Parts: sequence; C-alpha cells; structure tokens
Amino acid sequence: DTGVSQDPRHKITKRGQNVTFRCDPISEHNRLYWYRQTLGQGPEFLTYFQNEAQLEKSRLLSDRFSAERPKGSFSTLEIQRTEQGDSAMYLCASSLRQGLQETQYFGPGTRLLVL
Amino acid sequence: KNQVEQSPQSLIILEGKNCTLQCNYTVSPFSNLRWYKQDTGRGPVSLTIMTFSENTKSNGRYTATLDADTKQSSLHITASQLSDSASYICVVSRGSGNTGKLIFGQGTTLQVKP
Repeated sequence: DTGVSQDPRHKITKRGQNVTFRCDPISEHNRLYWYRQTLGQGPEFLTYFQNEAQLEKSRLLSDRFSAERPKGSFSTLEIQRTEQGDSAMYLCASSLRQGLQETQYFGPGTRLLVL
Repeated sequence: KNQVEQSPQSLIILEGKNCTLQCNYTVSPFSNLRWYKQDTGRGPVSLTIMTFSENTKSNGRYTATLDADTKQSSLHITASQLSDSASYICVVSRGSGNTGKLIFGQGTTLQVKP
C-alpha cells in the first residue's frame, strides 16, 4: 500500500453513460497525476495538478474527459458519454517535488469496462 | 521521439533461477530512470531509481544497471521467487522534470513457475 487510494476499484458501465473516479493522494504531496493503462501496455500520461492548478493535459485527454482537484487534495476524473475505447485501468499517482528529484507513488487504479 | 523500449515482452522462468530484463530509451534530455514492479490489477511500485551518474543500484534481489552512453538499462533478478511474477516497467524521466511526466516502457511480464 503506497498511501494513494482510488475509488472505485472497478467500474462497469454502458456506452454513453458518465463515470467519475476519485483519487486521494498522500496528504503532503502537492502533485497529482492521472494515467491510463491498457492491457499489455505501460501507463500513458493524461494530466497533472500542482496543488489545485491543472498544469498540463495530454492530447489523449479528449473533451469528454475532465479532471479537477478543487482544494489541492483529492482529485476526480470524469468521463462523459463513455465509449468502448475508454475501457482501461485509470491510475492516479502523487508526488512531492523536492529539488529536481520526484518519485511518484501510484494508487491501485480503477479498472473501467465500457459495454 | 521520446521512447522507452523493453525486451523481452514476456518471460517464463523456474523458481530459484536468475533473469535479466532489458530497457533501451531515446529520451532526451535524460533526468533519471526507474524500474517499477506492477502486480496484476495493482498500481506500479518503484523498485530502483538511477540518475545519470549512477550505473548500478540494488534493492534486495533486484539489481538495476544504467549505461547512459548507450542509453540502456537492465534489471537483474536473482534467486527468483513466485512472488516476483509481475510486470516490470522501465520508466524514464525527461529533462529537469518540470512536469514530472514520466515516459513508460510497455513492460516485461515475468512469470515464475514452481
């Protein structure tokens, strides 16, 4: 257990529905990242926050995806009008940037299946 | 293009045997390289981290090497155990790490059999 928690761990939904995932980072960590991982592949960067500010978004993050970190603590990732191609593991990671070194600690992930 | 390539894609070994996983990268500028272990259905967990000036780092039965000139890294696992069965991901951090954005390899799936 890295100290990063995600909820839910599994989600099955029908195409077209909206889903929301939550990530609770390690409490003193100021950075929070979202990744997507498909079977047999490494994680792909989606977006990241420093405190409550969303500083970068990947081109993978279509208009149907939105992420928030309103108080600089937990974060939510919402997918609207889900498509079957959205089926993947969604990983959250948090870190505390100290100088040039930074280690990201990953949560257990939320596995999404879109039927 | 910034890429991280790993080989082999998958590997099966008998318990107690050693194995070596490979990682080649074309990430520039290079900041550091990590090996992560990812159990099925779980998030990745960091095993080792090496900066440009380090060429070897150990963590128990795991030993990582880095050749910054050839842009290659390896992860050597000695006396493998059943619990070593997992995906091992090579991850390179680029530049000064302003974003902390990591570039992941596709992973090597290791299966240790009794």
